[in-house]
Amino acid sequence: DAGITQSPRHKVTETGTPVTLRCHQTENHRYMYWYRQDPGHGLRLIHYSYGVKDTDKGEVSDGYSVSRSKTEDFLLTLESATSSQTSVYFCAISESVPAAEAFFGQGTRLTVV
Amino acid sequence: AQKVTQAQTEISVVEKEDVTLDCVYETRDTTYYLFWYKQPPSGELVFLIRRNSFDEQNEISGRYSWNFQKSTSSFNFTITASQVVDSAVYFCALSGGSYIPTFGRGTSLIVHP
Repeated sequence: DAGITQSPRHKVTETGTPVTLRCHQTENHRYMYWYRQDPGHGLRLIHYSYGVKDTDKGEVSDGYSVSRSKTEDFLLTLESATSSQTSVYFCAISESVPAAEAFFGQGTRLTVV
Repeated sequence: AQKVTQAQTEISVVEKEDVTLDCVYETRDTTYYLFWYKQPPSGELVFLIRRNSFDEQNEISGRYSWNFQKSTSSFNFTITASQVVDSAVYFCALSGGSYIPTFGRGTSLIVHP
């Protein structure tokens, strides 16, 4: 199994508070992704990274920011959490694109109340 | 832009039935890769298969088979003699020149005993 860990696994937070989710990999893969999964929408890309300090927006990036200061860590921050950001968040890594498959973390269930 | 459509939101079958999950894609790239992933009730996402755009050979792995047809832009997944353990959400994905994997909305397969 690919070494990819998300933390925390579950979090409940209040509206308006900042939240940071962490993705840590031990595979030294260049590409890292943050997706959110919602019923009826499948997996939607929030942000992705193609190297240290190289990041870009996905299709649902509003309200989210990311940082990647080391190859192994990719952080997702909700600057001011809203109820619409209640979701399951998945981190994924990929060795190369477009050919390589993605390996996913276990997911983080975030509830914003 | 690339797009993946999984028109079947949910499929319900009885054990031992054969079932086909449809995946239709759109891309302008001549080189691209198609993937299937499985998400069982436990929540993790697991890679099943990858196909590149130059390889239209069908693939069979045990009870699973995949039919890739460029002429119809489809990459369908068939489970023969379904089992309860096949119950999961299945995602089709496409990765091409943009290097961003695009996922379909997923098909929920429910196999009843």
